[in-house]
Amino acid sequence: NAGVTQTPKFQVLKTGQSMTLQCAQDMNHEYMSWYRQDPGMGLRLIHYSVGAGITDQGEVPNGYNVSRSTTEDFPLRLLSAAPSQTSVYFCASSSIDRTLSSYGYTFGSGTRLTVV
Amino acid sequence: RKEVEQDPGPFNVPEGATVAFNCTYSNSASQSFFWYRQDCRKEPKLLMSVYSSGNEDGRFTAQLNRASQYISLLIRDSKLSDSATYLCVVPRDQAGTALIFGKGTTLSVSS
Repeated sequence: NAGVTQTPKFQVLKTGQSMTLQCAQDMNHEYMSWYRQDPGMGLRLIHYSVGAGITDQGEVPNGYNVSRSTTEDFPLRLLSAAPSQTSVYFCASSSIDRTLSSYGYTFGSGTRLTVV
Repeated sequence: RKEVEQDPGPFNVPEGATVAFNCTYSNSASQSFFWYRQDCRKEPKLLMSVYSSGNEDGRFTAQLNRASQYISLLIRDSKLSDSATYLCVVPRDQAGTALIFGKGTTLSVSS
């Protein structure tokens, strides 16, 4: 099925460990973005990309790195995990229909990360 | 002023009730607005898009007031299945590269 695939779905890390959350889309979308969601909060933007080779910081980028070597993939790296990074992480891809000036966003099912 | 603000609720209503949520946004240049639905911290699902003054889809109506910079979502004849968190969302820029979310409004519909 076409869409956004996130792996893993669940992960437990120890403080100080590093890991990569994977995100892949097969819709040839230009834009991809990462969000985190904490209890009682909406989704907050971590990093985003407007195309291969181009990334930029969002609202809460500290402690995370991203790269966009292909249109399809947008991995999120935690450099040295901290308990404050315990959260649910969502990846999204989007395209713009310039004829309609409308947007279409597709979200992955999320990665639930616990840092102990 | 936060970019997108919503009343967190919770809104507790009986089946069949009409309920309305409001959302305010700070960027007066915003042209597009969305209401997303989220169940139990699963991925958000698009409920409605608003590009002009408003939009209606069955029991759901979204209204946009640009002068006051707020968007509303009206749900008529509430169903048990409408219980969820409703997120007010605005693109972070004109190109729609990413989204800015409100904290969400929780709705609980009871029988």
